[in-house]
Amino acid sequence: AQTVTQSQPEMSVQEAETVTLSCTYDTSESDYYLFWYKQPPSRQMILVIRQEAYKQQNATENRFSVNFQKAAKSFSLKISDSQLGDAAMYFCAYTTDKLIFGTGTRLQVFP
Amino acid sequence: DVKVTQSSRYLVKRTGEKVFLECVQDMDHENMFWYRQDPGLGLRLIYFSYDVKMKEKGDIPEGYSVSREKKERFSLILESASTNQTSMYLCASSLNGGQGNEKLFFGSGTQLSVL
Repeated sequence: AQTVTQSQPEMSVQEAETVTLSCTYDTSESDYYLFWYKQPPSRQMILVIRQEAYKQQNATENRFSVNFQKAAKSFSLKISDSQLGDAAMYFCAYTTDKLIFGTGTRLQVFP
Repeated sequence: DVKVTQSSRYLVKRTGEKVFLECVQDMDHENMFWYRQDPGLGLRLIYFSYDVKMKEKGDIPEGYSVSREKKERFSLILESASTNQTSMYLCASSLNGGQGNEKLFFGSGTQLSVL
């Protein structure tokens, strides 16, 4: 069965610092997609970043980047220059045809 | 920007009541989804729909049904609400192609309490 594991229920970071959220997944597929979604206090989830498994290059979106290690089935999210607005729940998700979410990591950002 | 609107932000119902959760999207998306979000469990798919009048079971459909009479509207129905259905319900939509590589657009959720 395909599973997504986020082993860090909570993380904290100081403003302007860098933080890495971890995600591992289990699959026998070779072609799939990985996502990080952010859920702020407003509760509306928004897509942060997307990675296609056949692309070796790590995806980057402004201050957000991933470290995708296909052999290790690892997909971590790095947030650089953290801002107060980054405080949220972050969900890692995997899909071939059906989206499977991890349990989430709550990120706190301290001034 | 795509807007996915859920009719209620908070809802309190009694055990045994029939509950309707409504979701409307304004961007002519083909696909619509209902998820349930519980602490420590993440998001779990209840039902989804790829077209009008079409529905597919997700991972936890028991106790729920759905209706999609119009493309923009996807309703989740709890036929007889129970306390274990107390949860956050999230609606989402995507343009087409199933969930494969499509970006999902989410509503702001309905926090349902069943007493």
